[in-house]
Amino acid sequence: NAGVTQTPKFQVLKTGQSMTLQCAQDMNHNSMYWYRQDPGMGLRLIYYSASEGTTDKGEVPNGYNVSRLNKREFSLRLESAAPSQTSVYFCASSGRLLDTQYFGPGTRLTVL
Amino acid sequence: RKEVEQDPGPFNVPEGATVAFNCTYSNSASQSFFWYRQDCRKEPKLLMSVYSSGNEDGRFTAQLNRASQYISLLIRDSKLSDSATYLCVVNGGANAGKSTFGDGTTLTVKP
Repeated sequence: NAGVTQTPKFQVLKTGQSMTLQCAQDMNHNSMYWYRQDPGMGLRLIYYSASEGTTDKGEVPNGYNVSRLNKREFSLRLESAAPSQTSVYFCASSGRLLDTQYFGPGTRLTVL
Repeated sequence: RKEVEQDPGPFNVPEGATVAFNCTYSNSASQSFFWYRQDCRKEPKLLMSVYSSGNEDGRFTAQLNRASQYISLLIRDSKLSDSATYLCVVNGGANAGKSTFGDGTTLTVKP
């Protein structure tokens, strides 16, 4: 039982490059989330998916897109990376909205 | 004003001390509340849920005061292993799926 997994663990991009962060959960959870955490700050919600087939914007969605591929997987795409997107990205899942969230280990992204 | 505010600390306490953290929130329609613990460069992990009736788990006690819109976390008999950043989380309200994290309170327990 792996819980929430994220790939890659580390990534360095140049400004303007694109990439997709992958997230998968094996807990049969309905809801999934993407957050970013900047140094010394709390987590800010980028997008969330209440259930398979739905996605909604969070607090800081600009510059990102998401896909809820199936119940298990929720990906985050940066179409044209900018230095301001340098951050640690966490994926999380919960049984349903507002329930306890379980987090993946994070992806440390640097945009040069 | 931030939707969820925490005293960033740092709190530096000796082993065995009792320490309390508060977290205030602005949206009175918020529906669920949690405390998470985050170790350096790791993912947040649930410490405990917070209920109006209060809840206790060993040395940890959490309280919710809806009238004053704050939640609290009390740690008794602090251990070295309690050193971490503690995040409060407030869910729901106007945006049903929205989870709002505080910026965290850093605790260092010293021998």
